[in-house]
Amino acid sequence: DSGVTQTPKHLITATGQRVTLRCSPRSGDLSVYWYQQSLDQGLQFLIQYYNGEERAKGNILERFSAQQFPDLHSELNLSSLELGDSALYFCASSRGGESSYEQYFGPGTRLTVT
Amino acid sequence: GQQVMQIPQYQHVQEGEDFTTYCNSSTTLSNIQWYKQRPGGHPVFLIQLVKSGEVKKQKRLTFQFGEAKKNSSLHITATQTTDVGTYFCAGPSNEKLTFGTGTRLTIIP
Repeated sequence: DSGVTQTPKHLITATGQRVTLRCSPRSGDLSVYWYQQSLDQGLQFLIQYYNGEERAKGNILERFSAQQFPDLHSELNLSSLELGDSALYFCASSRGGESSYEQYFGPGTRLTVT
Repeated sequence: GQQVMQIPQYQHVQEGEDFTTYCNSSTTLSNIQWYKQRPGGHPVFLIQLVKSGEVKKQKRLTFQFGEAKKNSSLHITATQTTDVGTYFCAGPSNEKLTFGTGTRLTIIP
């Protein structure tokens, strides 16, 4: 158990819909990262927040947005969903904001768009 | 942008054989991290290497960072069924961690 929690575990929704994925970092961690992992694919970095502020951005689609709240939990919003958005979405957290910190991953949310 | 490639993409070995995965970055890295993802699981941090030429061991796992800090390797001696999974290297670039393409290891009992 990494100490990072993600909800929900599974999500099935239809194309065009909007969903929100939630992540709570490990106690004491200030950074939250979001990754997308499609079937048999690597980890695609989406976005990072550090202490409430956006820190780094990857190849995140304009239909996707995220935020980190004062209690440090984070939400990833996916809208106008397409079939290709079906994937595992991981949240990770680290103590600091620099990329040299080791990251602790949550169990992931499996999103299926039908 | 930075690219981190790993070879091989897949490796099937008999239990007890050795296994090696190689990681190559298009840019010099300040450090390299290794993660393991079991089937159906999430990536788990294994180790971080910082110094040029650094070698670290964790039981049957040996990690090496190249002299030029652009490549790294993970060697597993005498594989066991518990070693099954995908091994990722990751290097920092532009304030984000770029993960390698991963090597999926399967063990034939």
